[in-house]
Formats: sequence, C-alpha cells, structure tokens
Amino acid sequence: KNEVEQSPQNLTAQEGEFITINCSYSVGISALHWLQQHPGGGIVSLFMLSSGKKKHGRLIATINIQEKHSSLHITASHPRDSAVYICAAKIQGAQKLVFGQGTRLTINP
Amino acid sequence: GAVVSQHPSRVICKSGTSVKIECRSLDFQATTMFWYRQFPKQSLMLMATSNEGSKATYEQGVEKDKFLINHASLTLSTLTVTSAHPEDSSFYICSARRAQETQYFGPGTRLLVL
Repeated sequence: KNEVEQSPQNLTAQEGEFITINCSYSVGISALHWLQQHPGGGIVSLFMLSSGKKKHGRLIATINIQEKHSSLHITASHPRDSAVYICAAKIQGAQKLVFGQGTRLTINP
Repeated sequence: GAVVSQHPSRVICKSGTSVKIECRSLDFQATTMFWYRQFPKQSLMLMATSNEGSKATYEQGVEKDKFLINHASLTLSTLTVTSAHPEDSSFYICSARRAQETQYFGPGTRLLVL
C-alpha cells in the first residue's frame, strides 16, 4: 500500500460542476502539497498545507491532520482545469516529498 | 509565485553521449534542489536531493555515477546523464526550495535517447 493514496484516479465532469479530489496518507507529515500537471508536463504548486483550509480563486484545499486526509475542491470547473492533480506529503523529519499517483481530471464543455 | 526554469526543455541525443540539464531558481535562492524523473502516466520519482555546496543524496537504485548532480550555487543545479541509453529516455523535473517553504517545480526536460 502506498503511503499516499489519491482518489479517484480518473474523473470526468461537465463544465460548471463542483470537483473534489481526495488524498489520504498513512505517515506523519509536516505539510501536504497539491500540485497541478498539465499535458505539456510542467508542474505548478497549488497549495502547501499543514492545517485547516486554504483558498485561491476557485480552488480550495483542506486538511484534517487527525484523520490524515486532505481534499482539493474546484468550484465552477472549467475545461482549462483539465490536468493531473497530485498530492504530495512532506514526511516529518525528511526533506523529500512522497507523491500520490495523481488524479486525471477532464472537464468537458 | 517563485519561478524555476529548466534548460533545455527538450533534447534528443545519440546513445552513449552525455546530456546536461540545468535547473535555475530565477527569483530566490534555493538551499535545496530536487531532481525527479517521470515515466508516462506515472507519478514523479525522486532521484536525488541536492544541497548547495555539498554532495547530492541519491535515492536507492539511482546510480550516482550515471546521474551526476552539481549544485554549485544557490540558484543553479545541473543534472548530467552520462553515457545515455534509450532506457534513460524520460521526463526530468527539478524543484527548488528555500528554507522550509514550499517546493517550486521547473517545467521539465524531455529526454529522448536514440
């Protein structure tokens, strides 16, 4: 079992729908990252969370430390949101990130 | 947000040659840089962690003599794939971080070894 698990692996939705992507982890972490990777390959760091909730535009990320679970929400989804979304956990006491397998999101017009 | 660049973005080389990839943090000083590789439809795999002025720490299974990493300054790290073979063809991504802040990722370099 991976230390960081994401669900769903693939998600297709219509434009305007509310999107939720989940991330669960089984190790102690100091922070959790949400990343976005577009088809060209470049990765954008969306959020770094250690507690609570963060919002940036239509994106919201939450984390529940006790339950070892984080969610990424997209409101009013748009075709340009189509990408792979990756959660990555920064393990306590370590420098490196442990990555989930990614969620491939497709938003149809 | 902070910007990390990689050069080249795409490279094709012949088997047996060496290829150097540069990773630069453009508007901040990166105390730590990371090198990843990614195969199609797979997640990123950490190859090595590089702290400025010290030797890189390689992950298990990554050959340090094949993937040479130099972090000569707080804004530049290089990855050299020596004697490249077709199985080294992959997408290589670097990231840079200052102190305990978030990692900023480069746009990646697609390497194709013929």
